[in-house]
Amino acid sequence: EDQVTQSPEALRLQEGESSSLNCSYTVSGLRGLFWYRQDPGKGPEFLFTLYSAGEEKEKERLKATLTKKESFLHITAPKPEDSATYLCAVQASTGFQKLVFGTGTRLLVSP
Amino acid sequence: GAGVSQSPRYKVAKRGQDVALRCDPISGHVSLFWYQQALGQGPEFLTYFQNEAQLDKSGLPSDRFFAERPEGSVSTLKIQRTQQEDSAVYLCASSLVAGYNEQFFGPGTRLTVL
Repeated sequence: EDQVTQSPEALRLQEGESSSLNCSYTVSGLRGLFWYRQDPGKGPEFLFTLYSAGEEKEKERLKATLTKKESFLHITAPKPEDSATYLCAVQASTGFQKLVFGTGTRLLVSP
Repeated sequence: GAGVSQSPRYKVAKRGQDVALRCDPISGHVSLFWYQQALGQGPEFLTYFQNEAQLDKSGLPSDRFFAERPEGSVSTLKIQRTQQEDSAVYLCASSLVAGYNEQFFGPGTRLTVL
């Protein structure tokens, strides 16, 4: 069964304090790994897709990396507006296109 | 519209009532998904449409849940005889083609069953 585990469950940072969020996964053939951001009361907002081990993608203060067993979302010099829940999801290469999500990491960045 | 829209945004139902939740995907998007998100959890897959065909309904929790997309655009998720455990946020997502690319989510419908 495809499974995603995210850690930590919650993370509190001071503005400017860099850190990383972890996403460990098991999947029967990885088609893609997705990172989403979710603000309270809103739907998930797409951030990145990673397809193969060694791949990296960046967007503003965020950088996502992928290995064969896990992905990291690095946040460099975060700002309060980066506060949100960050969700990781995998899509298997077999079957249809459903995403299997982790439970997310709640990030709070204090000024 | 620019994004996926869902209505209503909030729905309160008495136990045993039937409800219908609507999703308007991004125009031209072939694939449409429904997910259920409980408080503090990640979204969980319910069902998938490619155009009007429902290709995967393996995530529907019981036969009280039914989804349709008759013209390959707007979709409706119907829940019959609602139970308290059905209380959750129901998310709709769409993607451009029938391939493996990013899914864009709507704001969700928060269902509360009393």
